[in-house]
Amino acid sequence: RKEVEQDPGPFNVPEGATVAFNCTYSNSASQSFFWYRQDCRKEPKLLMSVYSSGNEDGRFTAQLNRASQYISLLIRDSKLSDSATYLCVVNAINDYKLSFGAGTTVTVRA
Amino acid sequence: DTAVSQTPKYLVTQMGNDKSIKCEQNLGHDTMYWYKQDSKKFLKIMFSYNNKELIINETVPNRFSPKSPDKAHLNLHINSLELGDSAVYFCASSQDLLSGQGLGETQYFGPGTRLLVL
Repeated sequence: RKEVEQDPGPFNVPEGATVAFNCTYSNSASQSFFWYRQDCRKEPKLLMSVYSSGNEDGRFTAQLNRASQYISLLIRDSKLSDSATYLCVVNAINDYKLSFGAGTTVTVRA
Repeated sequence: DTAVSQTPKYLVTQMGNDKSIKCEQNLGHDTMYWYKQDSKKFLKIMFSYNNKELIINETVPNRFSPKSPDKAHLNLHINSLELGDSAVYFCASSQDLLSGQGLGETQYFGPGTRLLVL
């Protein structure tokens, strides 16, 4: 079983729509959670950290559910520039490495 | 003012050749990484170094040998290239080792080196 699993999508949404997707992780010792964004043929970049109480950054909202071991990302009022692959990233206690999901692709159309 | 740079950006080579990829960061970070992203888009850690000391050495064939001459540089040498080595290789750096205190989790990636082995 993969450490981090994501629905690959693609999620095709019109501009202005809301899109949300989840990611599940298998290691119950996971303690830090992130969403990274990767544009086509580019490097991954940190989008936001995910905190226990949930957090927002502009149009982006991240939630963590430790009991069910999943995190979610919601994008409101989608823009064309939100088209990208969103990588779910997890770090476990005493683990020196990040575990990446394979990504969820979002395409926002005009 | 590039933060993490890699050379070359593209590398096309024949099976059996030996090649190197170079990485440099000017962020003053202590920790550097090599990742491999295959055609299925999984990013897998290969190596990490902290202050020139090897920290992570995942299950990677010993044809792959990292070298860190100083904490701003982490190079990757690959011997006897195979078809399955074709992938995008990303270098990354972070302020410190992952610690659960938010120091190492933000990793800054280089632009990637697209390796194609024919």
